[in-house]
Amino acid sequence: GAGVSQSPRYKVTKRGQDVALRCDPISGHVSLYWYRQALGQGPEFLTYFNYEAQQDKSGLPNDRFSAERPEGSISTLTIQRTEQRDSAMYRCASSSTGGDGYTFGSGTRLTVV
Amino acid sequence: LAKTTQPISMDSYEGQEVNITCSHNNIATNDYITWYQQFPSQGPRFIIQGYKTKVTNEVASLFIPADRKSSTLSLPRVSLSDTAVYYCLVGGLTGGGNKLTFGTGTQLKVEL
Repeated sequence: GAGVSQSPRYKVTKRGQDVALRCDPISGHVSLYWYRQALGQGPEFLTYFNYEAQQDKSGLPNDRFSAERPEGSISTLTIQRTEQRDSAMYRCASSSTGGDGYTFGSGTRLTVV
Repeated sequence: LAKTTQPISMDSYEGQEVNITCSHNNIATNDYITWYQQFPSQGPRFIIQGYKTKVTNEVASLFIPADRKSSTLSLPRVSLSDTAVYYCLVGGLTGGGNKLTFGTGTQLKVEL
């Protein structure tokens, strides 16, 4: 696609529910990244993939968070048993191999009530 | 990853040149310096990237001294629409699957 697409744009869920956030990167982009951003803060790295391989998941806060990119394109970030502290903007980005920077999506605003 | 230090906020007026300096004393030999811009309710947007000396594109210039322990993003003749948060990052060349670590950035406010 023309840009990085994330869905849903907004998600409100009750504590304890599982949520799945989707990212559709720019076609052909090898690398895909997940970040989380709290209000007034810079994006916080969660995990990233090269093709379908998860290269680094050191930023995932705990084992309730997981991500996959099974076919090297679309990625899903799953949060199990959501907690209020999980509320944030979740941002996905992708990049090519050309060194021209990340392209970020518009993000998914997650609110856990 | 090298840590960066940049001013929390800066104010300017339309038409002026704005220079935002970032310190990265522990930059590694193979690290690049990258700047992103973020408007409210949007994701960060790549502005410019460099390794040494000077890089210029249609949006900004990036000045990097020989020791590479700092860098300066220069925005010529800013307008109200340049009001945003600007992030300085150091790390591997983007596109090599290298993760980048964002700090809190510099909030630039441009007024009439």
